[in-house]
Amino acid sequence: GAGVSQSPSNKVTEKGKDVELRCDPISGHTALYWYRQRLGQGLEFLIYFQGNSAPDKSGLPSDRFSAERTGESVSTLTIQRTQQEDSAVYLCASAYTDTQYFGPGTRLTVL
Amino acid sequence: GDSVTQMEGPVTLSEEAFLTINCTYTATGYPSLFWYVQYPGEGLQLLLKATKADDKGSNKGFEATYRKETTSFHLEKGSVQVSDSAVYFCALSMSGSEKLVFGKGMKLTVNP
Repeated sequence: GAGVSQSPSNKVTEKGKDVELRCDPISGHTALYWYRQRLGQGLEFLIYFQGNSAPDKSGLPSDRFSAERTGESVSTLTIQRTQQEDSAVYLCASAYTDTQYFGPGTRLTVL
Repeated sequence: GDSVTQMEGPVTLSEEAFLTINCTYTATGYPSLFWYVQYPGEGLQLLLKATKADDKGSNKGFEATYRKETTSFHLEKGSVQVSDSAVYFCALSMSGSEKLVFGKGMKLTVNP
């Protein structure tokens, strides 16, 4: 079946611009996660959605970052007024039980 | 807070060599433990997992045993192949469906 998909695969933007990253989870997966992987570092948790519960936003690094999820489907991660330190690969994962399935990621470059 | 510490490498081995990647964790409670692998040009994928003490996860010739007494989940393979060249991440999750906490990853290169 189809895996987790993310778009765009690459995004280059100028400092100060807003960007939106999209994640399409595996159908039927109630949980959805966003992580960030900066060069030479491990993956950092950003935000977690579980069904209709309030999302766990504890990993968002600043108020420039926000995310939404429509029901149990698509999620968008928005970064406002991008900064160079936002350059990273943004990974989305979805899960039904304790195993998370990752998408291919969006590589964001802020010039 | 909860954390994972793993060997960072990079590590280069010859084909058929024995591989151990150390991973230890700090957690309040009893986490589920995971090894994820990222092959060149591909997304992150689950390699194996263990959900309670003394469980052994295994897949593709890799094994890891959940050791509560040493808070460890070391990854081993008896004979690596060139196709095992990848970045390996150790991770924990506190209640099954919660966020993953990752180690920094270790890049492995296997030469023929």
